[in-house]
Amino acid sequence: QSALTQPASVSGSPGQSITISCTGTSSDVGGYNYVSWYQQHPGKAPKLMIYEVSNRPSGVSNRFSGSKSGNTASLTISGLQAEDEADYYCSSYTSSSGRVFGGGTKLTVL
Amino acid sequence: EVQLVESGGGLVQPGGSLRLSCAASGFTVSSNYMSWVRQAPGKGLEWVSVIYSGGSTYYADSVKGRFTISRDNSKNTLYLQMNSLRAEDTAVYYCAREVRGPAMDVWGQGTTVTVSS
Repeated sequence: QSALTQPASVSGSPGQSITISCTGTSSDVGGYNYVSWYQQHPGKAPKLMIYEVSNRPSGVSNRFSGSKSGNTASLTISGLQAEDEADYYCSSYTSSSGRVFGGGTKLTVL
Repeated sequence: EVQLVESGGGLVQPGGSLRLSCAASGFTVSSNYMSWVRQAPGKGLEWVSVIYSGGSTYYADSVKGRFTISRDNSKNTLYLQMNSLRAEDTAVYYCAREVRGPAMDVWGQGTTVTVSS
């Protein structure tokens, strides 16, 4: 199972919006509405930000939103804040009942 | 409070074995899907294994045949038995609870495994 494809890095200024893409195949991202997104700050455990493509867990800011089109899922962060600077990972359920993560995207808030 | 606490990491020689534990509190391990995820130094997240509430287990190709996921319902604890360890298994290992998605909504703090001679 190959890792999902994410851009290595994205950046934006405070207040702006950014989008992180996550590309897979019809055996994972494109085949199921089971894409989740995680935020990880250095030295910390990942935190769930989005599940089932576009749902936010309780307590996650509504500045975070998710979507999917075909084999590509996206995470959008609006109104960028300094504390959003972190690594972001997408994940998908797979046709072999496994899970697969993306390679991760480093978000820099300028 | 819902919490996961991993233990059992350490330094092991190539070819050796190690068993990781993940003690849960605030919820029942056997009623949930539970996963192990690892992160090599400076690298991204890699899914390792999952055990379903019904007992079915699944593994990443990279660990299939070498690692075994299990749980002890009486101790409310998840395990990962790792055999035939290789240098590339060096990583921080996290356990995580899965909810609908499957998405991992509760994570432990991680335990470090180093495979080196």
